[in-house]
Amino acid sequence: AQTVTQSQPEMSVQEAETVTLSCTYDTSENNYYLFWYKQPPSRQMILVIRQEAYKQQNATENRFSVNFQKAAKSFSLKISDSQLGDTAMYFCALIKAAGNKLTFGGGTRVLVKP
Amino acid sequence: DARVTQTPRHKVTEMGQEVTMRCQPILGHNTVFWYRQTMMQGLELLAYFRNRAPLDDSGMPKDRFSAEMPDATLATLKIQPSEPRDSAVYFCASGLVLGGEGYGYTFGSGTRLTVV
Repeated sequence: AQTVTQSQPEMSVQEAETVTLSCTYDTSENNYYLFWYKQPPSRQMILVIRQEAYKQQNATENRFSVNFQKAAKSFSLKISDSQLGDTAMYFCALIKAAGNKLTFGGGTRVLVKP
Repeated sequence: DARVTQTPRHKVTEMGQEVTMRCQPILGHNTVFWYRQTMMQGLELLAYFRNRAPLDDSGMPKDRFSAEMPDATLATLKIQPSEPRDSAVYFCASGLVLGGEGYGYTFGSGTRLTVV
């Protein structure tokens, strides 16, 4: 079985500052994928960033970057230069290669304050 | 941008009625998921299709829920009879999985179901 844990239910950050969301996971697989999804109040689930477990290089998408520590099974998301539009729930998710289940963490609510 | 289309966006129904939710996956995607989101349980996998074949529906209450893909452009999730505890947001997601590689999964906007 695979599990994903997000230990921070809620975080707030001032506009233009940086916030880091934590995610830890457990899987017996060696080849898998990790994702961060954003869910704004519109409830649309938006893929923010994707990381292949076999790649050591951390993924980056504009202001979003991850710190992937495979041995520690940790996958944190850093949002730089936070914007008001970043206010949302953020979900960490895991799927094994060619797997049949995208397992989600419980989510972290991020509030960006002006 | 390609998108996953779900209908209806909102549905209010009375207990005991049949509910059908529809999903149009992104053209070319070979994998379709149905998820349910509630405050208490978070995001739960209900069913999963690869190349239209159901591969895992272990998360779905079989006595009342059914999921099908009559063709590559349509996935359906049906609840009959519906119960108040089925009230939730139901998401469809599609993705492309080739040779063990998953390229990310695109979610629809969800159907908010309220059973009264």
